Amino acid sequence: EEQLLESGGDLIKPGGSLRLSCAASGFTFSTYAMTWVRQAPGKGLEWVSTISGLGGHIYYADSVKGRFTMSRDNSKNTVYLQMHSLRGDDTAVYYCARDVLKEGTSYHYYGMDVWGHGTTVIVS
Amino acid sequence: DVVLTQSPLSLPVTPGEPASMSCRSNQSLLHRSGSNYVDWYLQKPGQSPQLLIYLGSNRASGVPDRFSGSGSGTDFTLKISRVEAEDVGVYYCMQVLQTPRTFGQGTKVEIK
Repeated sequence: EEQLLESGGDLIKPGGSLRLSCAASGFTFSTYAMTWVRQAPGKGLEWVSTISGLGGHIYYADSVKGRFTMSRDNSKNTVYLQMHSLRGDDTAVYYCARDVLKEGTSYHYYGMDVWGHGTTVIVS
Repeated sequence: DVVLTQSPLSLPVTPGEPASMSCRSNQSLLHRSGSNYVDWYLQKPGQSPQLLIYLGSNRASGVPDRFSGSGSGTDFTLKISRVEAEDVGVYYCMQVLQTPRTFGQGTKVEIK
């Protein structure tokens, strides 16, 4: 079964740092881009960052650019979100999701079809 | 950035009846491939979002065929042919044509 399991959420003071992890299982991890999406309390969904399968391309929302760094370790089937200079408006549930599939030189998009249960970050 | 506007924001529904919601974009989401780069997600209460429709009209694996997506360019619609009680939650459209990806504000579906 394809699964994603986030961890690392915590209560952290403003200005602090935190690293989130998302461990994947049940699929060929390195062939998929991965994405972080967050949801502030009582609010909608916000795209945060996407990383390509081999990690060569990374994209960020303006709200986190320069403060957050997304990375992956394909030997561990895990993606990370390193967060620095945390602010109150970073308080949210952070979800990771499976994204674009790359097969050979072709890209296939079937939606963000696998999501984790989320991990909670509270900046206060 | 692409702005997605969903309507209505709240949708009371009757089980067994159809339901429809809209997602409008301030820019065309039609890719040169001919696909519209918009997805639909449902977030049931207390759960993670789940994919319903990708690239405008493609139903995701395991999604009941009562859900359908349509539209092109800037106007998109998600329809539920016969609402069931388990369909309650917030429905989000999301564009994947451009970075940053953006979501609509959501349509909350509740049983009347």
